[in-house]
Amino acid sequence: ETGVTQSPTHLIKTRGQQVTLRCSSQSGHNTVSWYQQALGQGPQFIFQYYREEENGRGNFPPRFSGLQFPNYSSELNVNALELDDSALYLCASGRSHTDTQYFGPGTRLTVL
Amino acid sequence: GNSVTQMEGPVTLSEEAFLTINCTYTATGYPSLFWYVQYPGEGLQLLLKATKADDKGSNKGFEATYRKETTSFHLEKGSVQVSDSAVYFCALPRDDKIIFGKGTRLHILP
Repeated sequence: ETGVTQSPTHLIKTRGQQVTLRCSSQSGHNTVSWYQQALGQGPQFIFQYYREEENGRGNFPPRFSGLQFPNYSSELNVNALELDDSALYLCASGRSHTDTQYFGPGTRLTVL
Repeated sequence: GNSVTQMEGPVTLSEEAFLTINCTYTATGYPSLFWYVQYPGEGLQLLLKATKADDKGSNKGFEATYRKETTSFHLEKGSVQVSDSAVYFCALPRDDKIIFGKGTRLHILP
């Protein structure tokens, strides 16, 4: 039990739609990171937020965006969904980016 | 650049067998190294870590030694159990992100 929760568990969307995934971190965790895990692959870093500001970004297009809120919740938004966006999306949080990161169970997104 | 390479699976073993999952890394400097485990239907859990050369991380009977000379961090367990069936990821923290290997699926037969 990491104390990090994600919703929804599963989601099905069609190409071109927009989706919002949510993450709730532990109190005191100032950083939240989002990762995309395609089937049979390791997680790939999307971006990280620290105290509500984007702190780093991986090789993902601008249609992937995020928000972090003062109550330790956060969102990942993906616009103009593509078939290749089908994956497990993981959020991870920690007190700082050098601290141990705790992962949530993930949201499995299927784009048809 | 920074990267992690781990042996491809799936790996199938009988209960009580010895396990090795190989991992090598490419990185500048002297990074920490992690092993994460992902049980079916769950997120990632940190299994063990080592922060400097010759450190040995251990947890739940698993061990891995940080070898700078061979840039390796192989995961080992002397006697696996059915409950160890999962996907194991070698990982390298760099700046504000974690770089993961592709994962090795482990299946233990009773």
